[in-house]
Amino acid sequence: GAVVSQHPSRVICKSGTSVKIECRSLDFQATTMFWYRQFPKKSLMLMATSNEGSKATYEQGVEKDKFLINHASLTLSTLTVTSAHPEDSSFYICSARDTGDQPQHFGDGTRLSIL
Amino acid sequence: AQTVTQSQPEMSVQEAETVTLSCTYDTSENNYYLFWYKQPPSRQMILVIRQEAYKQQNATENRFSVNFQKAAKSFSLKISDSQLGDTAMYFCAYNTGTASKLTFGTGTRLQVTL
Repeated sequence: GAVVSQHPSRVICKSGTSVKIECRSLDFQATTMFWYRQFPKKSLMLMATSNEGSKATYEQGVEKDKFLINHASLTLSTLTVTSAHPEDSSFYICSARDTGDQPQHFGDGTRLSIL
Repeated sequence: AQTVTQSQPEMSVQEAETVTLSCTYDTSENNYYLFWYKQPPSRQMILVIRQEAYKQQNATENRFSVNFQKAAKSFSLKISDSQLGDTAMYFCAYNTGTASKLTFGTGTRLQVTL
């Protein structure tokens, strides 16, 4: 149980385009989803927390207009990187959890490369 | 602010041996959760073990066990009978449940050798 699916696993696109990443909880209802960014050989950096049906809470320094997060249902959250540039290239990972005392379960991540 | 510190950037252990990864944290909360996550080269984050701060008994999952010292704010991970598949980055993490977001340490890269 507690499977989180993230899609796509890898995307390469041109500078200036927008990229959407999906995060789905397959066998549980995710009241809260999280989006992380990870640089090579570094730890995970939380970008934002999203609760179903409400606006995401962004961490300090994360541009909310650059990284659009939508959590429209209890099983799906999306991260859209708008007008992507090479510096946005990174590994993005989502996680999801059910109730407050449950652990977070992670997707397999998306490697984003902007040319 | 809560912080999580992993003082060992890299460690190496021979197959079948035991290794301990250290983690300390700082918090003013009384009730919280501690986790160890494993990230193999595939980059998937896998939950290894979880400890609830109000439980005095150390959590155990097969070959993985923790030494939770609440007063010292220490949460080390012991891997017994190490296997090649244990090679990965190991992240210690903390949250308060209600606050929900995880605070991660900087990670320890573990290499299991023959």
